[in-house]
This record gives sequence, C-alpha cells and structure tokens, in this order.
Amino acid sequence: NAGVMQNPRHLVRRRGQEARLRCSPMKGHSHVYWYRQLPEEGLKFMVYLQKENIIDESGMPKERFSAEFPKEGPSILRIQQVVRGDSAAYFCASSPLPGDTDTQYFGPGTRLTVL
Amino acid sequence: QKEVEQNSGPLSVPEGAIASLNCTYSDRGSQSFFWYRQYSGKSPELIMSIYSNGDKEDGRFTAQLNKASQYVSLLIRDSQPSDSATYLCALNPTGGGNKLTFGTGTQLKVEL
Repeated sequence: NAGVMQNPRHLVRRRGQEARLRCSPMKGHSHVYWYRQLPEEGLKFMVYLQKENIIDESGMPKERFSAEFPKEGPSILRIQQVVRGDSAAYFCASSPLPGDTDTQYFGPGTRLTVL
Repeated sequence: QKEVEQNSGPLSVPEGAIASLNCTYSDRGSQSFFWYRQYSGKSPELIMSIYSNGDKEDGRFTAQLNKASQYVSLLIRDSQPSDSATYLCALNPTGGGNKLTFGTGTQLKVEL
C-alpha cells in the first residue's frame, strides 16, 4: 500500500493522559500536514512539516500539542494531558516536493476519543 | 465572512441527474483549488484540482473555476448512489504555504 498510513486508527484516552498519533507519508513524498476535524466542523490545518523541520505550526494550539517529523520514522502528533475537547478525527496528508504539485493526499485518520 | 463557503445541504438529486456543487471564497489571491469527497467516518479523497479559470473534466466530474467571481464548482454527471457523500471545497490561500483551507462541505444524496 503506497498510500498515506496512520496509526492507530482509533485511540481512546482518559483525561490527562497523552496521545501519540503517527503518520507515514506516501512513498516519494517529503511533506506532511496534520489536520483536525471536530464533530460537525470542517477540516482545520494544524501543522506542516518536512523531515526534521517544522515549516508552519500556525494552526497548532499553543499548549499541549506538538509535532515532529524525524529523519527516520513517521511523523508524530503528540497531545499531552488530553481533555474532552480534543476528541476529534486527526488526519495526516502528504505531498511531493515543492514545485511539483501542491496536491495533498490524506491518510485514513486517527479518531481520538477522550473519556 | 468565512474564507470558504459551501451550502451544507443536503443536496438531493435523482440517480442519473447532474449534481452541481458550489463554493465561494474570500481570498482573491488564491491560486490552487481542490475538491475532496468524504464518506461518513472516512478520510477526504481527492477528486479534482484546478488552477486556471475555466473547466476541467475528469470522467463524470467537471470542475469550474472563475477567479473574478471567486467561485469554484463541481459538476457530477450521471450521478450514482455511490456518489452520496460530503464534498469538500479547499484552497491553498495566498502565501499559504500549502496549508489548505476547507469549507464545511456539502452533503450530496443521490436517490434511486
């Protein structure tokens, strides 16, 4: 499967726990984006990363949220001390090198439920 | 004014008819526009991208862009029940650096 991969697909956490969401981009893609979709709302941009660099994190909440895309391995979206309002679908997308196309392809998403 | 506006629907069309989905946007400098389809509980799936004024056709789908009117649309010909989904309009805003801005989507129902 050469598509964008995300895991876990479903994640349940209790308030105050940490959530780690992983994303492996499509083969040949070096740009990763994270979006959040709250119930009954549209997709909202969170962060844009390249390998070892955060390009744009203007959509990330100031506290508790962080993201990385290490040289080796998947991109990680980390949410510390989760609250019920963090319950949402988190989608990762990837795109090829800049100047090629800015089309983004989405992974299956991780549905986070905070109890 | 929302950056990307779509009628939430639902838009109901009979099987075999043409479905017309519309989207308006506020950022006049936007250059890249996308239509995604999202089935309930699933991830967005790219249908079309369009960058220039005019029409772009791909199978049963036609995207139309009018930058002067800040309007982008998606036509689905010969609609099928399997087309029933939410259709998301998205754009890459001016200087946006690839952070897509999405509308809230239009729900399409194709009825037998």
